Amino acid sequence: DAKTTQPNSMESNEEEPVHLPCNHSTISGTDYIHWYRQLPSQGPEYVIHGLTSNVNNRMASLAIAEDRKSSTLILHRATLRDAAVYYCIRGGTSYGKLTFGQGTILTVHP
Amino acid sequence: EPEVTQTPSHQVTQMGQEVILRCVPISNHLYFYWYRQILGQKVEFLVSFYNNEISEKSEIFDDQFSVERPDGSNFTLKIRSTKLEDSAMYFCASSEWSGAVNTEAFFGQGTRLTVV
Repeated sequence: DAKTTQPNSMESNEEEPVHLPCNHSTISGTDYIHWYRQLPSQGPEYVIHGLTSNVNNRMASLAIAEDRKSSTLILHRATLRDAAVYYCIRGGTSYGKLTFGQGTILTVHP
Repeated sequence: EPEVTQTPSHQVTQMGQEVILRCVPISNHLYFYWYRQILGQKVEFLVSFYNNEISEKSEIFDDQFSVERPDGSNFTLKIRSTKLEDSAMYFCASSEWSGAVNTEAFFGQGTRLTVV
């Protein structure tokens, strides 16, 4: 049970921003929120993670709701290479187990 | 940039045979994992390994599976007697600290196992 809810699919145009939502209404106070993505025929790839504050890195931004029941992964300018399955994962065990759900399939149109 | 490497990229084996999938994690990482992904399905956790022992395993990881870190650099997954339903992509991953808490896990490109 991934305990997160994401839309099955989303579409975007190249060079436009993309906002990928995730609901995690039962998250505990110490669970980090992780985002990974999986490009076609590749292994999962770390994107970003956060606990309470919004986070930015070279790949994306993570906006976390004040009540922590939802978060949004923001790709500021989508490229064709960003077409992938994006997974929102709640951190849950101290040994690093990641529980993947079905994720959101992002299609980027030229 | 450091990376997790897996060999072979594709393994075909006959049902009932033993297979060993190999992984070289990133050198300073302490936590090691195996995941699998059956074609068209989600990525599933198999096992985590820390301090030379299994720290957590899933229901999938039954007596037919074992893991080993034989020489301080390689990390292997052995399936003793393969079944058709073991056909999947197997991903190795490693992290510097516990990946669920506050760090990232690095995944390899995977080994596609086909059982015939």
